[in-house]
Amino acid sequence: GAVVSQHPSRVICKSGTSVKIECRSLDFQATTMFWYRQFPKQSLMLMATSNEGSKATYEQGVEKDKFLINHASLTLSTLTVTSAHPEDSSFYICSASDRDRVTDTQYFGPGTRLTVL
Amino acid sequence: AQKITQTQPGMFVQEKEAVTLDCTYDTSDPSYGLFWYKQPSSGEMIFLIYQGSYDQQNATEGRYSLNFQKARKSANLVISASQLGDSAMYFCAMREMGAGSYQLTFGKGTKLSVIP
Repeated sequence: GAVVSQHPSRVICKSGTSVKIECRSLDFQATTMFWYRQFPKQSLMLMATSNEGSKATYEQGVEKDKFLINHASLTLSTLTVTSAHPEDSSFYICSASDRDRVTDTQYFGPGTRLTVL
Repeated sequence: AQKITQTQPGMFVQEKEAVTLDCTYDTSDPSYGLFWYKQPSSGEMIFLIYQGSYDQQNATEGRYSLNFQKARKSANLVISASQLGDSAMYFCAMREMGAGSYQLTFGKGTKLSVIP
C-alpha cells in the first residue's frame, strides 16, 4: 500500500514552453500533497503544499505564477511549470500524506527529471 | 539554526556489517515525528522508518532500527547486515506536530556506500 505515481518520469522541453507533471496516490486518498525540488547532490526543497479543493500554499521564494499547482481530487495533484527556462531544469518530486495512518507519513513519487533546453 | 543535522556526508560499510547514520534535530515542539528515507540513484524516496516523540520504544522495521535518544535530540538510523542494495542517499526528516502543519524538514543527507 501507499503507492504514489508521478508522470512523466523524464521530460525535455524547449525554453518558453509549459510542462505539466502529474502526481497520483494510487491506493489511498491524499488530502494533502507536497511538491519538492531537488538539485544534484542536495536535499529536497519544499516548493508548495497542495490541499484538495483549495489553493496551494507556496514556500517563500517560489513563484506561484510560474509553478502552478492544482489539486483537483483526493488522488491527483498537478504541477505546471509555465514558460520554462533552463534554470528550471531540476528533479521534481511529489509526496502524498496518508491521513489514515497515525504517523501521517509522506509517501513519495518516483520523481520527474525536467531538462529545459 | 538547522532543524535537522546529518554530520556524515558519506559513509562506507562492509557488506554484512552494521552501520549507524547520525541525525540530530532541533525543536521546541513537544510533539514531533522523525522519519528516515532512502534515495537510490534512481531518485525515488523510499520511506524506511518512523519514530514519534512520545514513543517509549525505539522503532524497528526489519533490518532498520532507530536509536532514539530524546534528551540528546538524536535519532540515528541503524542498518544491520548491510547489503549492496543499501547503497544510497539517506535522509533524516522531522515533522513538528504542534504547528498543525504536515511539512517535513529534511537534513542534507548521508551517502552510504556498501563495499563487497
